[in-house]
Amino acid sequence: AQKVTQAQTEISVVEKEDVTLDCVYETRDTTYYLFWYKQPPSGELVFLIRRNSFDEQNEISGRYSWNFQKSTSSFNFTITASQVVDSAVYFCALSEEAQGGSEKLVFGKGTKLTVNP
Amino acid sequence: DSGVTQTPKHLITATGQRVTLRCSPRSGDLSVYWYQQSLDQGLQFLIQYYNGEERAKGNILERFSAQQFPDLHSELNLSSLELGDSALYFCASSVSLAGYNEQFFGPGTRLTVL
Repeated sequence: AQKVTQAQTEISVVEKEDVTLDCVYETRDTTYYLFWYKQPPSGELVFLIRRNSFDEQNEISGRYSWNFQKSTSSFNFTITASQVVDSAVYFCALSEEAQGGSEKLVFGKGTKLTVNP
Repeated sequence: DSGVTQTPKHLITATGQRVTLRCSPRSGDLSVYWYQQSLDQGLQFLIQYYNGEERAKGNILERFSAQQFPDLHSELNLSSLELGDSALYFCASSVSLAGYNEQFFGPGTRLTVL
């Protein structure tokens, strides 16, 4: 069965530090999709990025960047020059295509990031 | 704002009771998912509907059921509630069944069972 591991339960940094959140996944499928979601203290889940298994290009969006490495089954997330507003729980998730075209998201346990001023 | 709405925001009830959680997907989205977030189990997929039909089931208890109506809103029914059912319940929607479609999550319903 598919599995997502976020080994870092909590990370605390000081503002302006760079921080990397690790995500390792397990799947037997050749076609799959990886996601990152952010859950701020208010509780909602905010979509950040999607990556498919055939696209190993790294992606950068402002201060956020993602490194996808199929060889190590990792999809790590880096925040550059962190800010207090980045404080949240970050979830990595895996979606697999299933028979009939349906799918579900399998989430990691999440990494709680605290950015201190 | 994801465009997905959930009501109520908070629900406090007693063991043995039954509650209904409601979700309205984003305009144009046909697929609705329900997830449960608890301290013990993390975020877990419960069930998915597409255009009114059940399409996938996850770790959903037999005491729980869901449906999607012709106007595409969905309801999650939780019965014979136990203390362990206290959790944050999320609804998400996506435009289709395809795995590449991101799921947009509602604000959640926080259920407290006393």
